[in-house]
Amino acid sequence: DAGVIQSPRHEVTEMGQEVTLRCKPISGHNSLFWYRQTMMRGLELLIYFNNNVPIDDSGMPEDRFSAKMPNASFSTLKIQPSEPRDSAVYFCASSLTANTGELFFGEGSRLTVL
Amino acid sequence: AQSVTQPDIHITVSEGASLELRCNYSYGATPYLFWYVQSPGQGLQLLLKYFSGDTLVQGIKGFEAEFKRSQSSFNLRKPSVHWSDAAEYFCAVVSGGSNYKLTFGKGTLLTVNP
Repeated sequence: DAGVIQSPRHEVTEMGQEVTLRCKPISGHNSLFWYRQTMMRGLELLIYFNNNVPIDDSGMPEDRFSAKMPNASFSTLKIQPSEPRDSAVYFCASSLTANTGELFFGEGSRLTVL
Repeated sequence: AQSVTQPDIHITVSEGASLELRCNYSYGATPYLFWYVQSPGQGLQLLLKYFSGDTLVQGIKGFEAEFKRSQSSFNLRKPSVHWSDAAEYFCAVVSGGSNYKLTFGKGTLLTVNP
């Protein structure tokens, strides 16, 4: 079975450019999460969707970040404009239901903003 | 607010030796507890989980963990470490009920010497 699929795996861009990260969750999973991982802050939950609806975006750093889930099989995380401090690994994860903590993670998208 | 502490940033063991990774949590009610593993360049994978019942839980890859309410701990153990166990290990907690937020510790990096 296919796991959570993220693209791109690596992205290098210049400050001010728009970045779009993509995620395909596991089929049949109802919840989707976007996490950011950095050395300084560890794993941070950015936003959580349940049945394609954003439930909590309190972890989104600022207005430059936005996330969408137009259908059950696709989600995007967009940064516009990007800044060097956005450099991190961004993980998408999905789960059957939201409240069990059993998440299936993608391999991540490593973003470098110069 | 719930929190997780992993006191050891980095642990080195010899192959074949036993392993114990420490995790302490802070949460008022009975938590749901997890251990995840992250290999280099990969996403996180669930090793095991504790929801209720038997306080000693078995996971994949020969790992086990014991929930000790009196010590607010959920330490991960393995009797004999293999070189392939070298990775970063994350303890995590989520409150029961409808709370979806999985709070991760900062992680413990495990190095295995031949």
